[in-house]
Amino acid sequence: QVQLVQSGTEVKKPGASVKVSCKASGYTFTSYGIAWVRQAPGQGLKWMGWISAHNGNTDYAHNVQGRVTMTTDTSTSTAHMELRSLRPDDTAIYFCARVYHVWFGEGGYFFDYWGQGALVTVSS
Amino acid sequence: QSVLTQPPSTSGTPGQRVTISCSGSSSNIGSNAVNWYQQLPGTAPKLLIYSSDQRPSGVPDRFSGSKSGTSASLAISGLQSEDEAEYYCAAWDASLNDYVFGPGTKVTV
Repeated sequence: QVQLVQSGTEVKKPGASVKVSCKASGYTFTSYGIAWVRQAPGQGLKWMGWISAHNGNTDYAHNVQGRVTMTTDTSTSTAHMELRSLRPDDTAIYFCARVYHVWFGEGGYFFDYWGQGALVTVSS
Repeated sequence: QSVLTQPPSTSGTPGQRVTISCSGSSSNIGSNAVNWYQQLPGTAPKLLIYSSDQRPSGVPDRFSGSKSGTSASLAISGLQSEDEAEYYCAAWDASLNDYVFGPGTKVTV
């Protein structure tokens, strides 16, 4: 069965960086992408971007572009998301999700399996 | 402020039918597929509907999605207590070049 298992809780100071990992199993890792979505306390879902595990191509959301780097390690079927220059408003649960592309009809993509989430707290 | 608009909340009694609307524009819902996600309290989101009206395997047929023009909707028929959750619509926005989520609708049973 498809599983995405994320790394644990992180507490960081403003200005620091955080790297969250997402280990995939139960499917061919390089056949899908991995997206990252975050959720601030009591707030909704915000897409941060995604990376193709096939070729490493990335697409980042405008509000984090320049501070975020998404990578994959195909040898361990693990995706990583690094966020730099952390601010208190980066405090959130960070989810990874598998990206499923639709190649017919309206096209596009959706997130069919999700990790359990990793809480990142940014506080001085 | 999301480019997709959803009602903040809705409620129903067991067995009732409720619908959740998601309103957008020509750059998102009007030209791209809509997906719906269910988030139970304290858990990760779960895919409920993809490509506007398709149900993944394992999702009960009580859940259905539709789209018309720049709006989409999610219907839950035969409402059950375990349906109490937050529901998010989402779509690609070609103007923003971002995948956007609606603000979420809390369903209370």
